[in-house]
Amino acid sequence: KQEVTQIPAALSVPEGENLVLNCSFTDSAIYNLQWFRQDPGKGLTSLLLIQSSQREQTSGRLNASLDKSSGRSTLYIAASQPGDSATYLCAVSPFKAAGNKLTFGGGTRVLVKP
Amino acid sequence: DAMVIQNPRYQVTQFGKPVTLSCSQTLNHNVMYWYQQKSSQAPKLLFHYYDKDFNNEADTPDNFQSRRPNTSFCFLDIRSPGLGDAAMYLCATSIIPRKTYTDTQYFGPGTRLTVL
Repeated sequence: KQEVTQIPAALSVPEGENLVLNCSFTDSAIYNLQWFRQDPGKGLTSLLLIQSSQREQTSGRLNASLDKSSGRSTLYIAASQPGDSATYLCAVSPFKAAGNKLTFGGGTRVLVKP
Repeated sequence: DAMVIQNPRYQVTQFGKPVTLSCSQTLNHNVMYWYQQKSSQAPKLLFHYYDKDFNNEADTPDNFQSRRPNTSFCFLDIRSPGLGDAAMYLCATSIIPRKTYTDTQYFGPGTRLTVL
């Protein structure tokens, strides 16, 4: 059974500092990995999707890397801003599963202080 | 804008009183999902529809049912809500032309269910 872990559970940084969020998974037979953002009391917003054949994806200040063999992904957020404060979740999709069933990590709650 | 809409955003029900949560989408996606997210926990998949095919997760209680009358709408029915069913319920959609292909899931804002 796939297990996804995100450490640390919470992170506080001053504005302008780079953020590094970690995600690990136990079964390397994944089809893709997604990073989501969740604001308090809200739904999830997809940030980046990395296919299993890819090593990284970039969008603006966000960069996500994937090392499938070691079961790790890292989300980098450059030059953090107070508006980046949210919970960040990673989720993996199993290889060749019907319907793209995601297994989520517990999330990292980020606070960027002005 | 194309989107995933959930109604109501907040639902209060009494212990044992049936409740229905609604999800609609304008994305014309063929797959729709229901997740349960309890406070400070990861979302947990309850079930999903691949087109008209219903796929239940093995550990989803029988108390939870779903209906998808057409491509755009999907409902979550809780037949006899218990205190442990209080949670945020998230609907998501995805477009998957073949069953082995995966793509980004798009989430609605969620319905927060309170059970008194």
